[in-house]
Amino acid sequence: GAVVSQHPSWVICKSGTSVKIECRSLDFQATTMFWYRQFPKQSLMLMATSNEGSKATYEQGVEKDKFLINHASLTLSTLTVTSAHPEDSSFYICSAGDKSYEQYFGPGTRLTVT
Amino acid sequence: SQQGEEDPQALSIQEGENATMNCSYKTSINNLQWYRQNSGRGLVHLILIRSNEREKHSGRLRVTLDTSKKSSSLLITASRAADTASYFCATDTGGYNKLIFGAGTRLAVHP
Repeated sequence: GAVVSQHPSWVICKSGTSVKIECRSLDFQATTMFWYRQFPKQSLMLMATSNEGSKATYEQGVEKDKFLINHASLTLSTLTVTSAHPEDSSFYICSAGDKSYEQYFGPGTRLTVT
Repeated sequence: SQQGEEDPQALSIQEGENATMNCSYKTSINNLQWYRQNSGRGLVHLILIRSNEREKHSGRLRVTLDTSKKSSSLLITASRAADTASYFCATDTGGYNKLIFGAGTRLAVHP
């Protein structure tokens, strides 16, 4: 089956620094990737839709200048959390879709901002 | 934003019993999907049901969809301790296959 990887799996950073999270589709091309955020014991909240070669589409309430998304190729999308604060600590999950309806999810990245 | 609600929020059962989780949504959909998530881990896709389907089976899983009521249910039969996880429904409303997740049900299966 299709595999999506995320790197890093976990990261700890200091408040005010920026953190980049990578999402890769390993064995298929993904024209669209999605970024979700999940707080403890809560559901996944869609942050943005990332389209290869174009600007990301952000959901209402998500700051595009704080969460920078770059979809540079058909197999790679990156999410950069800029000037991170403790309230940005969360589990970030990406997914990628091929031509079918199914989404393939990455294993997630746990971000802790101290 | 979340598409809908799931109930119950938490469910605790004994091994061998059946577990039923319900999901309601608000808008028209192309399909509805169920996922499982073990604590602190990624999502595992369980089953997809299209808007023109009413019921679907996969092993011990049975999913129903009632588009008139905008609701779906997931039944896990003969549950096992390994089924302990959070279960989420997600709706695809069309357009880039974007998924909107429900609040989820935390299932605990006790040996």
